[in-house]
Amino acid sequence: AQKITQTQPGMFVQEKEAVTLDCTYDTSDPSYGLFWYKQPSSGEMIFLIYQGSYDQQNATEGRYSLNFQKARKSANLVISASQLGDSAMYFCAMNRAGNQFYFGTGTSLTVIP
Amino acid sequence: KAGVTQTPRYLIKTRGQQVTLSCSPISGHRSVSWYQQTPGQGLQFLFEYFSETQRNKGNFPGRFSGRQFSNSRSEMNVSTLELGDSALYLCASSYSSGRAGNEQFFGPGTRLTVL
Repeated sequence: AQKITQTQPGMFVQEKEAVTLDCTYDTSDPSYGLFWYKQPSSGEMIFLIYQGSYDQQNATEGRYSLNFQKARKSANLVISASQLGDSAMYFCAMNRAGNQFYFGTGTSLTVIP
Repeated sequence: KAGVTQTPRYLIKTRGQQVTLSCSPISGHRSVSWYQQTPGQGLQFLFEYFSETQRNKGNFPGRFSGRQFSNSRSEMNVSTLELGDSALYLCASSYSSGRAGNEQFFGPGTRLTVL
């Protein structure tokens, strides 16, 4: 069975500081994709970053980077230079072949001015 | 390019009624997936449609059904509504299906309240 675990229900970070949101996953499939989404209070899921299981390098997208440690089955999201607008729920997700996504329970991030 | 649109955005129904939610994917996308989000259960996969065929189905009762039209627009139907069906229903579109790493683009969701 596929499973995504996010152990941090809530996180606080000072504006302009970096923050790491943890995510571990469990799958026996060799081919899978890992995603991070941001969900503001409006409800829409916003795609942030993607990492493929065969990618050798960690993914980066602007202020977002994914710390992918395949042997440990972890895919932590690092947000650098936090901004007030980063306050939201963050979800780690995984898919295998097909479009069924498995989501973690999410981490609520609050950026403090 | 327009994003994924969902209608209606908010809906209030009473127990026993049925409801139909609509999702229009990004132009050119042929896969539409539906998710239910509740505080207790989190985000759960309902089903996926690709080229008018259901490709995957989550663990939901038969009261939840869907379909996809030739223009890729999709509808989700919930019959005999229960209080526990109150949730945010999210639709996501993707260009293709069947491959790990397909990015999904989500719509704003339909917030359903069952009284």
